[in-house]
Amino acid sequence: GAVVSQHPSRVICKSGTSVKIECRSLDFQATTMFWYRQFPKQSLMLMATSNEGSKATYEQGVEKDKFLINHASLTLSTLTVTSAHPEDSSFYICSATPRDRGLSYTFGSGTRLTVV
Amino acid sequence: QQQVKQSPQSLIVQKGGISIINCAYENTAFDYFPWYQQFPGKGPALLIAIRPDVSEKKEGRFTISFNKSAKQFSLHIMDSQPGDSATYFCAASMLGEKLTFGTGTRLTIIP
Repeated sequence: GAVVSQHPSRVICKSGTSVKIECRSLDFQATTMFWYRQFPKQSLMLMATSNEGSKATYEQGVEKDKFLINHASLTLSTLTVTSAHPEDSSFYICSATPRDRGLSYTFGSGTRLTVV
Repeated sequence: QQQVKQSPQSLIVQKGGISIINCAYENTAFDYFPWYQQFPGKGPALLIAIRPDVSEKKEGRFTISFNKSAKQFSLHIMDSQPGDSATYFCAASMLGEKLTFGTGTRLTIIP
């Protein structure tokens, strides 16, 4: 089945630094990748949608200069949290839609970001 | 129009019982309705999904019931087991578009 690998699973960084999270589709080409943020005991909140080779579409209220998304290939999308602050601490999850496997969404295992 | 309402927020079911979680949507353009299971510290995993052209879909102990006219769908977990204890999310989308998630249900199965 479709597998999405997300790395790292956990990261701790200092305030003011940047952190990059990778999302890879291992056995399929992902036309579209989605990035979510999840706070404890809450639902997934969509941050942005990225299509290979084009700029990401950000949801209302999400700062695109702070959360940089790059979808340079059909198997890799990255989310960079720039100038991270403690309030950016959260669980970040990516999801990918296969190009040729019908309608489905496969999720990565998530990245726990802690900013100290 | 994009909301998906989910209930209950939390649910406690005895082992062997039936767990039922309900969702309601507003956007009639939605045509894909999945249910996800999430364990702490993990990403959501697809349990079962349904399209609006069928009223019920069953996979093992998991069944989705879909009522198009009422714009509601539900997840039934038969013979609930302690290993089913997790958070469950319903979702909805238009073909290939972003998923809209429900608020989640924390399910606890007690011995």
